[in-house]
Amino acid sequence: TQLLEQSPQFLSIQEGENLTVYCNSSSVFSSLQWYRQEPGEGPVLLVTVVTGGEVKKLKRLTFQFGDARKDSSLHITAAQPGDTGLYLCAGAIGGGADGLTFGKGTHLIIQP
Amino acid sequence: ETGVTQTPRHLVMGMTNKKSLKCEQHLGHNAMYWYKQSAKKPLELMFVYSLEERVENNSVPSRFSPECPNSSHLFLHLHTLQPEDSALYLCASSLNRWVRDGTEAFFGQGTRLTVV
Repeated sequence: TQLLEQSPQFLSIQEGENLTVYCNSSSVFSSLQWYRQEPGEGPVLLVTVVTGGEVKKLKRLTFQFGDARKDSSLHITAAQPGDTGLYLCAGAIGGGADGLTFGKGTHLIIQP
Repeated sequence: ETGVTQTPRHLVMGMTNKKSLKCEQHLGHNAMYWYKQSAKKPLELMFVYSLEERVENNSVPSRFSPECPNSSHLFLHLHTLQPEDSALYLCASSLNRWVRDGTEAFFGQGTRLTVV
């Protein structure tokens, strides 16, 4: 059983469209992070959310942490080809555990 | 450029070979990690080092052997690997090991390993 489920697994849309990707779990996380990974590169942190219900905006990207701290969403407005990449959510369980637990990711392709 | 450098970027090795992956960071971070990224699977945490001491080993086979000689360098020694070990191996570092407070992890570009 996977700890963090991301959906959809693949998404291909046209430039200018809006989209939302999801990260769900049955576990509670002390914090959750979203990373973007481009081909041939390592993941790069986009945002960290730590409070239930928290909403953070990064230009056209809006991140939300669920009230119960079990899920999160990433909404992109007016997607651009530069948004193409693998979007990974990662959670910290806490309680002294080290490292992050990652989902499989959403492969996003924005077509010009 | 995240400040974490991995070498080599690509590696092809036979099942009887011995090779090492290298990771270097000069960010002043105290924790370093090895992750394995395979197709269709989530990133898997392999090893965690904090202040040069191994603090976690997630049931990784003994054919993978980490080494952390100082806080800036991390190695992954490989020997008698199997084809299913082919993957992208990512090194990461963070200021401290307690990621539950949202400490950012900085990743290297990874080493693409192919075992033939």
